[in-house]
Amino acid sequence: AQRVTQPEKLLSVFKGAPVELKCNYSYSGSPELFWYVQYSRQRLQLLLRHISRESIKGFTADLNKGETSFHLKKPFAQEEDSAMYYCALRTGANNLFFGTGTRLTVIP
Amino acid sequence: NAGVTQTPKFQVLKTGQSMTLQCAQDMNHEYMSWYRQDPGMGLRLIHYSVGAGITDQGEVPNGYNVSRSTTEDFPLRLLSAAPSQTSVYFCASSSLTAPYSDEQFFGPGTRLTVL
Repeated sequence: AQRVTQPEKLLSVFKGAPVELKCNYSYSGSPELFWYVQYSRQRLQLLLRHISRESIKGFTADLNKGETSFHLKKPFAQEEDSAMYYCALRTGANNLFFGTGTRLTVIP
Repeated sequence: NAGVTQTPKFQVLKTGQSMTLQCAQDMNHEYMSWYRQDPGMGLRLIHYSVGAGITDQGEVPNGYNVSRSTTEDFPLRLLSAAPSQTSVYFCASSSLTAPYSDEQFFGPGTRLTVL
């Protein structure tokens, strides 16, 4: 069975400090991982997909199959990064299996 | 282009009542799904559909029914509401054609309270 673990429910960092949101997964197939973000009063939206290896809003995430991790990183946090972040694993038929989420607060 | 729409935004039910949560998308997406979001549990898949006339169960399907008679609409029915179904419900849709299948588009959510 699949599992996505986000160990931190809450994470607070100061503006300008580096931020890392942790995600570990367990899946018997070839993993496809995503980060989704939900800003206050906005819809859940895709932030990053591992396969594209892109940087979005300064965030990057690398899939580490050896450590079964897909941590989200940003070198300098901004106030507008405050949001709820979900790591998600794609399983059959395009279904997403979500972690429990991490609420990031960036302190001015 | 409205994307994914959900109605109602809020609903209060009494135990045992039934109701239907509506979801529609105007992007001609083949895939549609329903999730529930509970504190500390993230989003969990209830039911999904890969096209009109095709539905299947997700992780937590008990107490819910779905149908997909058109590409655009994917209603979620609560047969006999229970307090355990108090949650925020999200509908999502996506293409099934790579690479566009990577991104799922979510609706604004329906906050349901069952007393």
